[in-house]
Amino acid sequence: EVQLVQSGAEVKKPGESLKISCQCSGFIFTSYWIAWVRQTPGKGLEWMGIIYAGDSDARYSPSFQGQVTIAVDKSSTTAFLQWSSLKASDTAMYYCTTSYSRVNRFDHWGQGTLVTVSS
Amino acid sequence: EILLTQSPGTLSLSPGERATLSCRASQSVSGHYLAWYQQKPGQPPRLLIYGATNRVTGIPDRFSGSESGADFTLTISRLEPEDFAVYYCQQYDTSPLTFGGGTKVDIK
Repeated sequence: EVQLVQSGAEVKKPGESLKISCQCSGFIFTSYWIAWVRQTPGKGLEWMGIIYAGDSDARYSPSFQGQVTIAVDKSSTTAFLQWSSLKASDTAMYYCTTSYSRVNRFDHWGQGTLVTVSS
Repeated sequence: EILLTQSPGTLSLSPGERATLSCRASQSVSGHYLAWYQQKPGQPPRLLIYGATNRVTGIPDRFSGSESGADFTLTISRLEPEDFAVYYCQQYDTSPLTFGGGTKVDIK
């Protein structure tokens, strides 16, 4: 059974750094792409970027390029989404998802990680 | 970037009724690369339909997808109580991948 288990909710202050995780199981991790999707009440669902777990080839949406970093650790079959300096506008629910290729649908989703950024 | 416009924003229907949800693309989506997702409160989206018309294994056959040019439709033939949710379309023809704004199907 495919499972994507995300790390727990976070409350951070503007300017702080953050790394959230997505522990994957039930499939051949290194054969898949893992994407991150942001959801907010105002902008809905937004594709942030995607990474091939086999070689860490990462691509970003222009809207998120330079704002976040996506990475994987093959040894723990875990994907990560990282910020170096959070803004209040990063407050959102973040989902990791699996994809068969770089440009594709999203077959399996994590349960989501709620990130709240507030002073 | 391909923009997806979903309509209506909210659809108020009764159980047993037919639901017709629309997703219009700002440009042609080649290869039928259009997916539909269902999202219930407190849950992640769930893939229902891919390739515009293909149901994911395990999705009831009351859900169907169709396309006509840049217009895509998700039809729920007879609404069951568990179908009241928000539905999103997503194109995976070109990067950046984009989602529609969603249609909420609620109980009349």
